[in-house]
Amino acid sequence: DADVTQTPRNRITKTGKRIMLECSQTKGHDRMYWYRQDPGLGLRLIYYSFDVKDINKGEISDGYSVSRQAQAKFSLSLESAIPNQTALYFCATTNGGFGELFFGEGSRLTVL
Amino acid sequence: KNEVEQSPQNLTAQEGEFITINCSYSVGISALHWLQQHPGGGIVSLFMLSSGKKKHGRLIATINIQEKHSSLHITASHPRDSAVYICAVSVRGSNYKLTFGKGTLLTVNP
Repeated sequence: DADVTQTPRNRITKTGKRIMLECSQTKGHDRMYWYRQDPGLGLRLIYYSFDVKDINKGEISDGYSVSRQAQAKFSLSLESAIPNQTALYFCATTNGGFGELFFGEGSRLTVL
Repeated sequence: KNEVEQSPQNLTAQEGEFITINCSYSVGISALHWLQQHPGGGIVSLFMLSSGKKKHGRLIATINIQEKHSSLHITASHPRDSAVYICAVSVRGSNYKLTFGKGTLLTVNP
């Protein structure tokens, strides 16, 4: 099994629909992150969490929300999807502030 | 100006060539990461370094903190090395923030 698992891997949806992307990790890490990748823009931070009770906004959190259901699970929600949220989304984990990064395989979201 | 700049943006090489990808940054950092992303695939961490040099197989990463510069070298390149290589820095004093470069697309032809 992968260290960091994202579901779904691909999703096509329509404007206005609610979408949830899920992430689970088996590394036992405290820190989890959601990033968005767009061509030519690199990876940008949406939300991050240092533990179950700690949730923080990243640089592009508008239109997104998250839930840290357990140390191993971190979900990203789009309450009302819009076309410019079409992107590749990555979940990542790390152990402490300076540990190695572990990424999921990515979730490709298309909003029509 | 981006805090992390990579060069070149695109690189094409012949199998067996020595490859160098550069990363320059403008902020104080606590660590620098090199990541690899294959087309359509996930992202894998290659190195994390805060000083000096690290080697793993045919890959070598170096960092010069004073010059705010890091290089990723690939010796005896192979078509399976074709991927996007991404530099990311952990900004000092901000224990969550990673700032990413836009990546270098490497294509190694047989």
